[in-house]
Amino acid sequence: DAKTTQPPSMDCAEGRAANLPCNHSTISGNEYVYWYRQIHSQGPQYIIHGLKNNETNEMASLIITEDRKSSTLILPHATLRDTAVYYCITDDDYKLSFGAGTTVTVRA
Amino acid sequence: SQTIHQWPATLVQPVGSPLSLECTVEGTSNPNLYWYRQAAGRGLQLLFYSVGIGQISSEVPQNLSASRPQDRQFILSSKKLLLSDSGFYLCALQGVGNTEAFFGQGTRLTVV
Repeated sequence: DAKTTQPPSMDCAEGRAANLPCNHSTISGNEYVYWYRQIHSQGPQYIIHGLKNNETNEMASLIITEDRKSSTLILPHATLRDTAVYYCITDDDYKLSFGAGTTVTVRA
Repeated sequence: SQTIHQWPATLVQPVGSPLSLECTVEGTSNPNLYWYRQAAGRGLQLLFYSVGIGQISSEVPQNLSASRPQDRQFILSSKKLLLSDSGFYLCALQGVGNTEAFFGQGTRLTVV
């Protein structure tokens, strides 16, 4: 079973920032938080991951709370192509279990 | 760079027939390998994962089995397919260390 919880869906306006929350209250000290997204009929695509420090790359930013029990993925300027299902997962002894994710719909 | 090959892209099989899906990877040694299934409109269900040759962990009791005969080869099999085995099957790899996972393009299996 997935060890993370996410809202089932959210809408975002094109050009605005999208903030996707994730709860991982049972995360252990050496587990990383990973974010992936899946566009319809394709395999998931890696976005970003982190342990306890905030991370940023060309796709997104990852903010992890100090107690590591939750995190937020930030898409700084959402585009229509960012419409996808976003998954937040933790690596529990190499077992990458995906939950239902958040379906993000970016609207023009 | 790490690449993952999964085939075929689509497959239609009759109920009761056998199944063999193969996944091969390049550009990495001793990766963790995974098989997932995704039913229509649903999330990814982890079926099997392997941390080394001959080492298979099963997540869900079912009509399927997996094998890892070589370091870079992961096979998903069934002796007799059921209608409920239909779905989108994805193979994935995770390299050594806390790195991202890479996914294959998937096989869309329809059991009729």
